[in-house]
Amino acid sequence: DGGITQSPKYLFRKEGQNVTLSCEQNLNHDAMYWYRQDPGQGLRLIYYSQIVNDFQKGDIAEGYSVSREKKESFPLTVTSAQKNPTAFYLCASSRDRDSPLHFGNGTRLTVT
Amino acid sequence: GESVGLHLPTLSVQEGDNSIINCAYSNSASDYFIWYKQESGKGPQFIIDIRSNMDKRQGQRVTVLLNKTVKHLSLQIAATQPGDSAVYFCAENAGGTSYGKLTFGQGTILTVHP
Repeated sequence: DGGITQSPKYLFRKEGQNVTLSCEQNLNHDAMYWYRQDPGQGLRLIYYSQIVNDFQKGDIAEGYSVSREKKESFPLTVTSAQKNPTAFYLCASSRDRDSPLHFGNGTRLTVT
Repeated sequence: GESVGLHLPTLSVQEGDNSIINCAYSNSASDYFIWYKQESGKGPQFIIDIRSNMDKRQGQRVTVLLNKTVKHLSLQIAATQPGDSAVYFCAENAGGTSYGKLTFGQGTILTVHP
């Protein structure tokens, strides 16, 4: 089945450590996205990539970094500069601008 | 900035009733709208979408209505079932070169009682 795989489902880190969240898709979609979701809130865009080797900042990019070396993969690094990293992180992809985003099942990151 | 919002944060219905979830948007340039369903601990699941050149679109047990005059979007679920209990989000694409950059509302919690 085609889809988006995010791993791990739960991740725990100590404050001051960088952590990388994995996102892989086999939908052959060009565009990929990272969103952050906090309790009781909607989704906020962190980074997005329309094509391999290119990506743009979203609304809340500070403290995060991404890479897009392969079409299938769009890992997100949460750096120690991110002040409130504990959240539910969602990766998504889309075929083109006018197609709905398909989401993975998220990674819940807890930083203590 | 432009945003998408919801009139009601929670909605409780009885099984078999019809549900209506509302959403207001403020960006008149938005040309594509999507409804998502999110169950606890999972990612949002696509329900139905609509483009700004339409005012109604129907799917299986769901209908989306778009009123561009008052910038209002609604999701109607017919014969609501307990499995429909979830958080529902509306999202808009602000148009132009905004490649898939959706702005999401805060969500409405739908609870269906057996």
